[in-house]
Amino acid sequence: GAVVSQHPSRVICKSGTSVKIECRSLDFQATTMFWYRQFPKKSLMLMATSNEGSKATYEQGVEKDKFLINHASLTLSTLTVTSAHPEDSSFYICSAPEVGVLGYTFGSGTRLTVV
Amino acid sequence: TQLLEQSPQFLSIQEGENLTVYCNSSSVFSSLQWYRQEPGEGPVLLVTVVTGGEVKKLKRLTFQFGDARKDSSLHITAAQPGDTGLYLCAGKGGANNLFFGTGTRLTVIP
Repeated sequence: GAVVSQHPSRVICKSGTSVKIECRSLDFQATTMFWYRQFPKKSLMLMATSNEGSKATYEQGVEKDKFLINHASLTLSTLTVTSAHPEDSSFYICSAPEVGVLGYTFGSGTRLTVV
Repeated sequence: TQLLEQSPQFLSIQEGENLTVYCNSSSVFSSLQWYRQEPGEGPVLLVTVVTGGEVKKLKRLTFQFGDARKDSSLHITAAQPGDTGLYLCAGKGGANNLFFGTGTRLTVIP
């Protein structure tokens, strides 16, 4: 089946630095990717929709300048957490709809810890 | 943001017991999906239901979509320790995005 590769799986960074998370669709083209954030023992919260070749659409309450999304090709979307703070520590997951299938494929997630 | 409430939030049962998880919303969805998530991993799709009143079976799991396409249920028969995990329902929004339910954390005790 379709695979979305996400990395890094874990990252620890210092406050004030930026971290880039990548998601690649390995065997299909993803014109759209979704980015989610998940707090411990909580559900997934949709942050933004990434569209290839155009600006991302952010959900209400998500800072565009804080979470920069780039979808430069049909197989790659990136999320950059800028000027990270400890409250940005979370589990970030990307997903893409599978072509011809009603389901979505998810990356394996990135555990971000800001110290 | 469209809200999906799941109940119960936590469920701990003995191996062999049956259980039902509910997913309710005030919004109508074109389709609804159920996922299972293991710690530190992304969710894995279990099933997609599209038609109001639809029932799908996946081995010991039975999924039902409400007639009005606002709610769904997941029933597990003879639960096994391997069923332990976080179960998430998700409704498909107008922009093709997914809105996840609040989640049900299931623990099956051997």
